Amino acid sequence: GAGVSQSPRYKVAKRGQDVALRCDPISGHVSLFWYQQALGQGPEFLTYFQNEAQLDKSGLPSDRFFAERPEGSVSTLKIQRTQQEDSAVYLCASSPTGGNRRLNEKLFFGSGTQLSVL
Amino acid sequence: GDSVTQMEGPVTLSEEAFLTINCTYTATGYPSLFWYVQYPGEGLQLLLKATKADDKGSNKGFEATYRKETTSFHLEKGSVQVSDSAVYFCALSDPISGGYNKLIFGAGTRLAVHP
Repeated sequence: GAGVSQSPRYKVAKRGQDVALRCDPISGHVSLFWYQQALGQGPEFLTYFQNEAQLDKSGLPSDRFFAERPEGSVSTLKIQRTQQEDSAVYLCASSPTGGNRRLNEKLFFGSGTQLSVL
Repeated sequence: GDSVTQMEGPVTLSEEAFLTINCTYTATGYPSLFWYVQYPGEGLQLLLKATKADDKGSNKGFEATYRKETTSFHLEKGSVQVSDSAVYFCALSDPISGGYNKLIFGAGTRLAVHP
């Protein structure tokens, strides 16, 4: 596709359920990022992949959050035993470049998955 | 740690009015600075950027100048249009504290432009 695609667009989960959020980056993009955006706030970094390698997961808020990108393209963010505080929009972004100064200069964001935990 | 502070919104303007959205930052290193825009129902898009002091980023009539002495990167446009209505985010990446792979965003400022 032409842009970064995320699915589902909306997800409602009961507290304690596991959820999986999918990101299809732009074809050929080396770098992939996940951000969490709480209501009325700016996005906060969760994790970064360069191809299939997860190089930075310092932003994951707890061990209930897990991300993977096994073949260096599609990525999945999994949240286990969801809590109400996990309610947010989860944004995926991709970039054609690797870890250098220009990395953030060509960042393409998806429209996000809005997760509501009841 | 590094942070970005934006003026609170919403900012409501009439068409053709002058726009300023203030942004200040704190950073450990020498950051690159960005403005992103989010139109309703769409993903974040890079609007403009500046990578060193006194650089001016510009795009679509918007401008922002990297002011190291005041740690600011205010967004300006001389004449706004209804189509500029969106949420604007100021952001930085700091090679010292976060590396080039991490953007730190402000809370966003909603702009509403009326005909």
